[in-house]
Amino acid sequence: KAGVTQTPRYLIKTRGQQVTLSCSPISGHRSVSWYQQTPGQGLQFLFEYFSETQRNKGNFPGRFSGRQFSNSRSEMNVSTLELGDSALYLCASSSGQSAGANVLTFGAGSRLTVL
Amino acid sequence: AQKVTQAQTEISVVEKEDVTLDCVYETRDTTYYLFWYKQPPSGELVFLIRRNSFDEQNEISGRYSWNFQKSTSSFNFTITASQVVDSAVYFCALKAVQAGTALIFGKGTTLSVSS
Repeated sequence: KAGVTQTPRYLIKTRGQQVTLSCSPISGHRSVSWYQQTPGQGLQFLFEYFSETQRNKGNFPGRFSGRQFSNSRSEMNVSTLELGDSALYLCASSSGQSAGANVLTFGAGSRLTVL
Repeated sequence: AQKVTQAQTEISVVEKEDVTLDCVYETRDTTYYLFWYKQPPSGELVFLIRRNSFDEQNEISGRYSWNFQKSTSSFNFTITASQVVDSAVYFCALKAVQAGTALIFGKGTTLSVSS
């Protein structure tokens, strides 16, 4: 059973640019969550999508957005990049059926560097 | 508000030593779930265990054991006879049902096991 796949694994952007990250969940999983990991703030929740609808959202500015497609694949977009957006972006999938008890399976992440 | 505190930032041990990673959580929710994840250098978060708020039974899985105490709001993780392969960052996380589906992570404890 294939795990959670994130692309690209590494990318470098400059301030002001925008970036799109992709996540393919485990087959059959309908929920995809995104987390940002930085040395200073640790792991922080960005948003969660279930059946193409945003079900929950963290405390991030509107420059961070996401979407989910009918095949459960998800993308997140960051516009007008800032230096502070440099981070490891982790995607996680779950069945999404039980909101509290689901175990999240994480991908290896996309490491974004903003210069 | 929900919060997870991992007071130990870094721990260094020699192989075969036992080591305990501490986790203290805060939530007013009566229904919640606690998790431990391991993050090796590859970056992917690996699920270790989930425990719900109604199940205070301790658990042992091979060299790993977990001690959940609601009275002290703690969910500690012990590795017995540590091995070099145990070197990683370990995260404790909380999911409170009323808070929605987001995982709240602690800052993590970096465990270094030397031979």
